[in-house]
Amino acid sequence: QVQLVESGGGVVQPGRSLRLSCAASGFTFSSYAMHWVRQAPGKGLEWVALLSHDGSNKYYADSVKGRFTISRDTSKNTLYLQMSSLRAEDTAVYYCAREVPVPVGASPRRYFDYWGQGTLVTVSS
Amino acid sequence: SYELTQPPSVSVSPGQTARITCSGDALPKQYAYWYQQKPGQAPMLVIYKDTERPSGIPERFSGSSSGTIVTLTISGVQAEDEADYYCQSADSSETRVVFGGGTKLTVL
Repeated sequence: QVQLVESGGGVVQPGRSLRLSCAASGFTFSSYAMHWVRQAPGKGLEWVALLSHDGSNKYYADSVKGRFTISRDTSKNTLYLQMSSLRAEDTAVYYCAREVPVPVGASPRRYFDYWGQGTLVTVSS
Repeated sequence: SYELTQPPSVSVSPGQTARITCSGDALPKQYAYWYQQKPGQAPMLVIYKDTERPSGIPERFSGSSSGTIVTLTISGVQAEDEADYYCQSADSSETRVVFGGGTKLTVL
């Protein structure tokens, strides 16, 4: 069965860096586009970043562009989010999510069929 | 920037019909998706491509689309349907994903 397990969250000071991981299992990780989505305490969902299925394209929300980097290691079936220059407003639960696959050659469908349980990042001095 | 707008809250009594709207300028051209999120849980897809229901989602959940507005309808609401609901879409270049602000469904 498909599983996504995030880790790496914690308390970090403003301006510092943190790397989140998302361990994937139960599917061919290298064939799927993957995303990070976050949710500030008591707030709604906010999309953060996208890595295309072949790893060649990366896209970011304006709020994190230039500070966050999405990447993956297909040998470890793991998705990463490297976060730098962290701000208080980055405090949130961070979810990784699998994008629904489409037939080869078809346009992507940017929505999610599986989510992890999330990892909490708290940016505070 | 592309935005999706939802009402903050909707309240219904058990057995009634709940309708949650989501408006966005690009919705006539881009599909909408709906997620249910209960406290402490990850979101779960309940409607995709405006009107399709994933396997395992009860038939009381349905979606519709008309111009710039998409609607999630829950017929015969049950207490277990109390949750936050989010609409989601993507921009026309498929390089950005957008969520609505979320609607808290309260079952009275």
